[in-house]
Amino acid sequence: QKEVEQNSGPLSVPEGAIASLNCTYSDRVSQSFFWYRQYSGKSPELIMSIYSNGDKEDGRFTAQLNKASQYVSLLIRDSQPSDSATYLCAVKPGGSYIPTFGRGTSLIVHP
Amino acid sequence: DVKVTQSSRYLVKRTGEKVFLECVQDMDHENMFWYRQDPGLGLRLIYFSYDVKMKEKGDIPEGYSVSREKKERFSLILESASTNQTSMYLCASSYGLSGQGYGYTFGSGTRLTVV
Repeated sequence: QKEVEQNSGPLSVPEGAIASLNCTYSDRVSQSFFWYRQYSGKSPELIMSIYSNGDKEDGRFTAQLNKASQYVSLLIRDSQPSDSATYLCAVKPGGSYIPTFGRGTSLIVHP
Repeated sequence: DVKVTQSSRYLVKRTGEKVFLECVQDMDHENMFWYRQDPGLGLRLIYFSYDVKMKEKGDIPEGYSVSREKKERFSLILESASTNQTSMYLCASSYGLSGQGYGYTFGSGTRLTVV
């Protein structure tokens, strides 16, 4: 059974701080890793994808992948109240159409 | 701007009715998916399609069927709606063959209530 684990939270950080969201996965053959942001009552939106070990930066977002330890992280720098949402981690093995989603971490950024 | 459009944002149906949820994408994506999302259960895959007229069962296909007659359109059908099918239904599409690392584009969702 492929599993993707996320702490459900809520993770509460002050405005301007770095928010760190973590995700671990069980399937060692996973090749593609995604982070989605979902505001309350809305649908998920893809914000980051990463395929190789190391860091990938996009604006205030940095995705970090460590395949040996089977975890992927999302860092949000200079967190804003508008970043308050649920963040879903998704992991896809090579040769599959279908990612496995975690249940998400709720992030609250307070002024 | 790429788009996945779901026909209804909110829908209320009666138990036993046949319900059609429509999804259209304008990105020429090969793959289309139907999920339902419930509090505490996360996203659960109902059906997916990787080509016109092709369909594959996901994790929870019971009580549902799908149709993909055109590349851009993927329909979810609730054969006889029941109250336990009250949920948020999300359509998604993605580009590329299996093995390629493309993420999903989701539609805005349909919140279905069965009474």
